[in-house]
Amino acid sequence: DTGVSQNPRHKITKRGQNVTFRCDPISEHNRLYWYRQTLGQGPEFLTYFQNEAQLEKSRLLSDRFSAERPKGSFSTLEIQRTEQGDSAMYLCASSLGGRRALYNSPLHFGNGTRLTVT
Amino acid sequence: AQSVSQHNHHVILSEAASLELGCNYSYGGTVNLFWYVQYPGQHLQLLLKYFSGDPLVKGIKGFEAEFIKSKFSFNLRKPSVQWSDTAEYFCAVNASHLYGGSQGNLIFGKGTKLSVKP
Repeated sequence: DTGVSQNPRHKITKRGQNVTFRCDPISEHNRLYWYRQTLGQGPEFLTYFQNEAQLEKSRLLSDRFSAERPKGSFSTLEIQRTEQGDSAMYLCASSLGGRRALYNSPLHFGNGTRLTVT
Repeated sequence: AQSVSQHNHHVILSEAASLELGCNYSYGGTVNLFWYVQYPGQHLQLLLKYFSGDPLVKGIKGFEAEFIKSKFSFNLRKPSVQWSDTAEYFCAVNASHLYGGSQGNLIFGKGTKLSVKP
């Protein structure tokens, strides 16, 4: 179990620039989740995929945010025209879900990508 | 909408002291309940979970939590803390009838920082 890998670990960008983060889940996990965590808060759900299908998006995910999981393996989260309010830790998690799932499949989180928008 | 409240922002204890961290949720239906822990510099990891059955659940490292449905609570306890328990603890909930039995969209509390003095 190599765990969930996220790249980059840190990203500093200027307001208005686009950024893209990558998440590599645990290989046998078919579900992948993106969360965002700001200082002093718990993680907030953004979106999740089952295989390559994006099954749910939070209202937090504005139209500047787009997530993909083209082959049902790694995922990317892109933020266009970044704003200072986008500064946060972006967390990825994976699990077994759906018909293949054990009922009690836990989420495995990565270390996150810390975004700072100046 | 579901929400999770963690009563204590920061708890400071001496080693061997007993620990209880409060967690209350607001949701009238059947819920799945979780405690996650984040040790300094590490990713979030599952401490314990409750889906159904015995309301007293035991997790890793001597932690346990009790689900009290009438109080909408899921408090975390440990009889004797160690310096290595210094971490941030997050309570989380989701509606069990959603997401095909996997954990899906978790609603997290704001977290409680635990500092254990040696």
